[in-house]
This record gives sequence, C-alpha cells and structure tokens, in this order.
Amino acid sequence: TQLLEQSPQFLSIQEGENLTVYCNSSSVFSSLQWYRQEPGEGPVLLVTVVTGGEVKKLKRLTFQFGDARKDSSLHITAAQPGDTGLYLCAGGDNNDMRFGAGTRLTVKP
Amino acid sequence: NAGVTQTPKFQVLKTGQSMTLQCAQDMNHEYMSWYRQDPGMGLRLIHYSVGAGITDQGEVPNGYNVSRSTTEDFPLRLLSAAPSQTSVYFCASTRRSGNTIYFGEGSWLTVV
Repeated sequence: TQLLEQSPQFLSIQEGENLTVYCNSSSVFSSLQWYRQEPGEGPVLLVTVVTGGEVKKLKRLTFQFGDARKDSSLHITAAQPGDTGLYLCAGGDNNDMRFGAGTRLTVKP
Repeated sequence: NAGVTQTPKFQVLKTGQSMTLQCAQDMNHEYMSWYRQDPGMGLRLIHYSVGAGITDQGEVPNGYNVSRSTTEDFPLRLLSAAPSQTSVYFCASTRRSGNTIYFGEGSWLTVV
C-alpha cells in the first residue's frame, strides 16, 4: 500500500478540457510537493504547499492542500498538449521523501 | 548548468554481475539520495546521505551499497544483480535548508 495514493492513475483528455488529479494519505504531512516528469527525464518540482487549506496557482495549474494536511489536488484549466506527463505528489523530509505512483496525463491536440 | 549528472544512461547486466551507477552534483548540496522508479510503484528511496561520510538506508536498501566520500559524488553499487533490480534509477540532491529535490535524468538498468 502506497503512503500517498494518487488518482486517477491514467487520464487522457482533449486539448482545452479541465481536469483534477488527487493525492491522498492517511498521514499528516508538514508539506506536500507536486512534480512533473516527462519521458526520459527526472521529475521537476512544480510547487510546495505547506499550510492546511493553502491554494497556489502556477499559470493554468491550481494546487490545493487539504485543511487536515493529508491530501492535495492539482487542477489544470484548459489543458494543452505540453501538459502531458507524469504528475507525482510527494511528502516527507528532504532525506526521506515519499512519492505517490503518479497520474499519467495525456492531452490530445 | 550541469546539476545532477548520472552515468550510465542505459545498462544491461547479467544476473550475478556487479556494477556501479555514478552520480555527481555541482550545486554543493548537502543531501543526496538514490531512488528507483517502477511502474505503478512511484519513486522509492534506496539510500540517502546527509553529508560527506554519512549514509543511511531508505525504504528499499537490500542489494545496494552507497558511499559518500565527497560532497559531490554519491555512487550506487549493485553487489550481485538480480532481475528484480530491473528498474529506472534516479539520483537526487537537495540543499539542507531547502525543500526542492533536483533529480538526474535517470539510469535505465535491465538485469537478464
């Protein structure tokens, strides 16, 4: 059982659609991070959320940290083919970061 | 900017062989770590180091050794490769005072 459960595992949508992916845990985290990974590359940090209820926006991406600091969501507005990739959430300390299995997003032109 | 550099990019090993995955970072980060990534499993921590001369086990350390003789380098050794070690391996580094993990581009290892 993953410490961080991500859903859905796979998501395929058309360009212009909106979507939300989720990261859930039974554990409380001091912060959660979201990474995006493209094929053949390592994950790249998108955002860190640290306060329960916090909402952060990065252009068309909106990240929310649950009030209880056990879950997070990523909402993408008007998805574009360039958003295609594996989205990973992670929580823990710098030397013991735990990752979810990820949501693999495909945005079709 | 080099960042985190891993070699080799691809490797095929026979069962029982040993090998070393090299990792170097040029950002003077204190923390370094090795992860493996398997389908449906996400990234799992193998070993980590909080500074030169200090290493510790992560979630899945069996079959792997590490050392940290310098701040820059953190090699991962497979002692006797097994098919279960077929995976993509990522080296990463982090500043002690920061929370951004910088990953290398990955090393694809196949054990036959």
